[in-house]
Amino acid sequence: QKEVEQNSGPLSVPEGAIASLNCTYSDRGSQSFFWYRQYSGKSPELIMFIYSNGDKEDGRFTAQLNKASQYVSLLIRDSQPSDSATYLCAVKGDYGQNFVFGPGTRLSVLP
Amino acid sequence: KAGVTQTPRYLIKTRGQQVTLSCSPISGHRSVSWYQQTPGQGLQFLFEYFSETQRNKGNFPGRFSGRQFSNSRSEMNVSTLELGDSALYLCASSLWQGITSTDTQYFGPGTRLTVL
Repeated sequence: QKEVEQNSGPLSVPEGAIASLNCTYSDRGSQSFFWYRQYSGKSPELIMFIYSNGDKEDGRFTAQLNKASQYVSLLIRDSQPSDSATYLCAVKGDYGQNFVFGPGTRLSVLP
Repeated sequence: KAGVTQTPRYLIKTRGQQVTLSCSPISGHRSVSWYQQTPGQGLQFLFEYFSETQRNKGNFPGRFSGRQFSNSRSEMNVSTLELGDSALYLCASSLWQGITSTDTQYFGPGTRLTVL
């Protein structure tokens, strides 16, 4: 059974701080990794994806992947109250395999 | 380019009835996946269709079924509804051209199903 684990939170950070969200996965054959943001009552929206070990930056967001440790993280710099949402980590294996989602981490950015 | 669309957005049914939900993927996307999301269970994978064929299936009873048409539009059906089927049903599409970079899934707004 392929599993993706996340701390359910809530993770509370003050406005302007760095929020760090973590995700671990069980399948060593996983190839691609995604972060989605979901506001209450809305559907998940893609923040970014990462395929290779290391860091990938997009604006205030940085995804970090360490395949040896089976660990992927999302850093949000200069956190804003509008970043308050649930963040879902998703992992996908090789061709033809489906996505596996983690339970999500609820982030609260306090003004 | 238009996003993923789902109809209807809200649905109220009673136990024992059946329901059909529809999903239109982003133009050119050939893979459509369905998920059930509940507060207690999170996002659970139902099934994935690619080129009109079911490619993957999650751990749901046979009451849950789906299909995909030649234009990549997809439907899912739930028969003999139970109270526990109340959830947000999400559809996601991806381009999938055989390489990892085309694998990204984009979600529709979802259908909120309430079973009374």
